[in-house]
Amino acid sequence: ETGVTQSPTHLIKTRGQQVTLRCSSQSGHNTVSWYQQALGQGPQFIFQYYREEENGRGNFPPRFSGLQFPNYSSELNVNALELDDSALYLCASSFRGQGGYGYTFGSGTRLTVV
Amino acid sequence: AQSVTQPDIHITVSEGASLELRCNYSYGATPYLFWYVQSPGQGLQLLLKYFSGDTLVQGIKGFEAEFKRSQSSFNLRKPSVHWSDAAEYFCAVGDSSYKLIFGSGTRLLVRP
Repeated sequence: ETGVTQSPTHLIKTRGQQVTLRCSSQSGHNTVSWYQQALGQGPQFIFQYYREEENGRGNFPPRFSGLQFPNYSSELNVNALELDDSALYLCASSFRGQGGYGYTFGSGTRLTVV
Repeated sequence: AQSVTQPDIHITVSEGASLELRCNYSYGATPYLFWYVQSPGQGLQLLLKYFSGDTLVQGIKGFEAEFKRSQSSFNLRKPSVHWSDAAEYFCAVGDSSYKLIFGSGTRLLVRP
């Protein structure tokens, strides 16, 4: 059974640019959630995707958007990057239908905005 | 509003000593509660979870946690800490929409 894979592991972007982060969910999982973890803080919920639709969103502006594909993999897109977007972005997959809380987290993408 | 408080930013214990990490939550209904561990450069690993039933929950790596509704607490314990337990620990509460709300974490340092 494969776990959650995120790519890239690190990247550096310039303020104002756009970025796409990718996540392959664990085999058998149908739900993907994205979290932002700023340095020294706990993860903050960005949004969740289930059946290729956004199914819940945290307190993040519309320039944070996402997609879920038929194979349940997912993308997180951030437009007009700001310095405060620098963080570790975590993807977590789960299977809704078994309580929904069996999350498996990836190792994250470390985004630095300069 | 739902929230999780971990009052200790850092805790240092000697190897072999016991450990207790504190977690307090604010949630209107019966909470789903979790403890995760994060090693440097790694994602989050689930240690244990509480949904209902027995208020003392056993997890992996010798950890346990006790749910106390009257104190809105879900403290994590381990009777004897190993050097490999040094990491960041996060308490979280799950809401009805399967979203996790995390505390700010407690960094555990282990003295040899």
